[in-house]
Amino acid sequence: DVKVTQSSRYLVKRTGEKVFLECVQDMDHENMFWYRQDPGLGLRLIYFSYDVKMKEKGDIPEGYSVSREKKERFSLILESASTNQTSMYLCASSPLGQISNYGYTFGSGTRLTVV
Amino acid sequence: AQKVTQAQTEISVVEKEDVTLDCVYETRDTTYYLFWYKQPPSGELVFLIRRNSFDEQNEISGRYSWNFQKSTSSFNFTITASQVVDSAVYFCALSGSSGGYQKVTFGIGTKLQVIP
Repeated sequence: DVKVTQSSRYLVKRTGEKVFLECVQDMDHENMFWYRQDPGLGLRLIYFSYDVKMKEKGDIPEGYSVSREKKERFSLILESASTNQTSMYLCASSPLGQISNYGYTFGSGTRLTVV
Repeated sequence: AQKVTQAQTEISVVEKEDVTLDCVYETRDTTYYLFWYKQPPSGELVFLIRRNSFDEQNEISGRYSWNFQKSTSSFNFTITASQVVDSAVYFCALSGSSGGYQKVTFGIGTKLQVIP
């Protein structure tokens, strides 16, 4: 059974902390994505990656960075967490060039609260 | 730019009622793909269906059906004889040729509550 695994389901962090959200997929997918989900705003793309060590900004990259050192792992980094980054974070993956066929495979999400 | 509008933010129905979730999209691409995803309370979005812009045939899968109309830029989703297990947030989404089909734009979601 193919899977996208997000390391934490719930996280509580303090303002100013550096936060790492980890995502691992076991499907050998080239594409990986980070979205945040907020009520009334839907899913908004933060960053995505088409390959190892490659990254591109999405629609709301400010305050975030990413790392993809291995094909299966895509990390989202909050350099200095702020309360407005309290949200549900969703990781997704897809095969290169085949998103039109399969859509994304999503992880279960990480609900981050910054206090 | 791509845009997906789901005007219904929350819908409540009584079990066994039929319900239609609306989706209207905007794109300048002539080739694009439309999706519906379901997000149950567990949180993981589940892919339900994909439809490409050249295929306007309606599709039925069990109690689920989808109506794609390019003339009105709509891709509506109907659940027949709703069940409590259908309670979830449903997202309509779009990917187009201008983005290499790699990026998907989501609507804000429609929260469906099926009351027993």
